[in-house]
Amino acid sequence: DVKVTQSSRYLVKRTGEKVFLECVQDMDHENMFWYRQDPGLGLRLIYFSYDVKMKEKGDIPEGYSVSREKKERFSLILESASTNQTSMYLCASMEAGGETQYFGPGTRLLVL
Amino acid sequence: GDSVTQMEGPVTLSEEAFLTINCTYTATGYPSLFWYVQYPGEGLQLLLKATKADDKGSNKGFEATYRKETTSFHLEKGSVQVSDSAVYFCATGGGATNKLIFGTGTLLAVQP
Repeated sequence: DVKVTQSSRYLVKRTGEKVFLECVQDMDHENMFWYRQDPGLGLRLIYFSYDVKMKEKGDIPEGYSVSREKKERFSLILESASTNQTSMYLCASMEAGGETQYFGPGTRLLVL
Repeated sequence: GDSVTQMEGPVTLSEEAFLTINCTYTATGYPSLFWYVQYPGEGLQLLLKATKADDKGSNKGFEATYRKETTSFHLEKGSVQVSDSAVYFCATGGGATNKLIFGTGTLLAVQP
């Protein structure tokens, strides 16, 4: 079974802090994704990566950056957290040429 | 651009009732269509998918048929259980883009 793990289930940070959300997958998938999930808005793609050190902006990249130094790990970085970044963050992975995305359990981030 | 519209929730049903959750899409080309489910406190997992017109995806008693003429992919189940209580997301995408476009999600609550 594919396993996607996220470093924290719940996180509380202060405005202006730098925040790192980590995601690790164990199935050697080339593609990895970061989404945020908000009520009434569904899932919105922040960034994705199709290979090590490769990244592409999704629909809402502003205020975020990502890092993919190793194939199994995809990090989402909030350079200076703001209250409007309070949300549920979901990571997913998918094999090259595949169609099914496998999701982690999510990190619920509260920015005060 | 591509988009997905699904019925708003919450949908509240009694156990053994019939379920329909409507989903329509707009897309260029011939995308694959998906239903993902998110149980309380968990990430999303694929429920079923269909890759071409008239295909029927099915899993765990749920079904959805890819209707190109009506651009729809409605989710149905003949007899829901309390354990089906979750948020259901319709999505379109796959292929060369590797990206999925999600609907806003529909919360289903099944009462005993």
